[in-house]
Amino acid sequence: AQSVSQHNHHVILSEAASLELGCNYSYGGTVNLFWYVQYPGQHLQLLLKYFSGDPLVKGIKGFEAEFIKSKFSFNLRKPSVQWSDTAEYFCAVNYEVKIKAAGNKLTFGGGTRVLVKP
Amino acid sequence: KAGVTQTPRYLIKTRGQQVTLSCSPISGHRSVSWYQQTPGQGLQFLFEYFSETQRNKGNFPGRFSGRQFSNSRSEMNVSTLELGDSALYLCASSIGQALTSYEQYFGPGTRLTVT
Repeated sequence: AQSVSQHNHHVILSEAASLELGCNYSYGGTVNLFWYVQYPGQHLQLLLKYFSGDPLVKGIKGFEAEFIKSKFSFNLRKPSVQWSDTAEYFCAVNYEVKIKAAGNKLTFGGGTRVLVKP
Repeated sequence: KAGVTQTPRYLIKTRGQQVTLSCSPISGHRSVSWYQQTPGQGLQFLFEYFSETQRNKGNFPGRFSGRQFSNSRSEMNVSTLELGDSALYLCASSIGQALTSYEQYFGPGTRLTVT
C-alpha cells in the first residue's frame, strides 16, 4: 500500500536552531510531493511543493525541501527557526500523477509537532 | 481571492443520524477533495470531485458520499452516523485540469461530533 512516513512525531528546539523533518514515501513512480503546515488554531497551509525539475525547492517562510528520488525522501529544512514556526507539519504525496486521468488524492504522513522555545 | 469556505464550522449529531457538509472552493477551481482528520488515523482521503464527477475515492464505507455541483461547490454526506465518525472534515480545492494535478488549498474544516 502507498504510504508516507514522517520519522519524528515531536520535535522541540530553541529559536535560531536548525530544523530538519524527515519524510519518506513508498512508491517508485512519478509522484507530486508537498509539505503542509498547520499552525495552532489555523487551517492547513501549503509550505512548498515538488512536481519536477530542481530537486531543491524553496517555499514560504524560509523553508526548503530536497527531493532525493533514490531514497524516496522529501525532507523539510529551515536553517534558523523562530517561535512562530511552532506548528504541526505534514508531508503529503500525490500518487495519482499518471494513473487514470490524474487527480488530487493526497496521502499524508502522520505529522510532526514542532515546538520552538523562545 | 477568497479562500476555501466550509459550512457549518461545528456540528453535533447523534449516532444514527445523517449529516451534510458543504464546501465552496476558491473561484476558478474545479477540483474539490475531502479529507477526514482524527487524532488516531491522521489525515485520510475520502474522495475527489472534478467537473461534477467523482475522480478518486478513498477507503471509506459507502455511508460516506459526496457530490459536486456545476458551480464546483461540493457537499459530502454521512449517513447512519457512528461515534467513530467524529472528526474534522477538511475540504481542499485545486485548479485540477483533466490530465494534471495541482496543489490543493484547504479550508478551515467542519468539526463533527457524534454523541
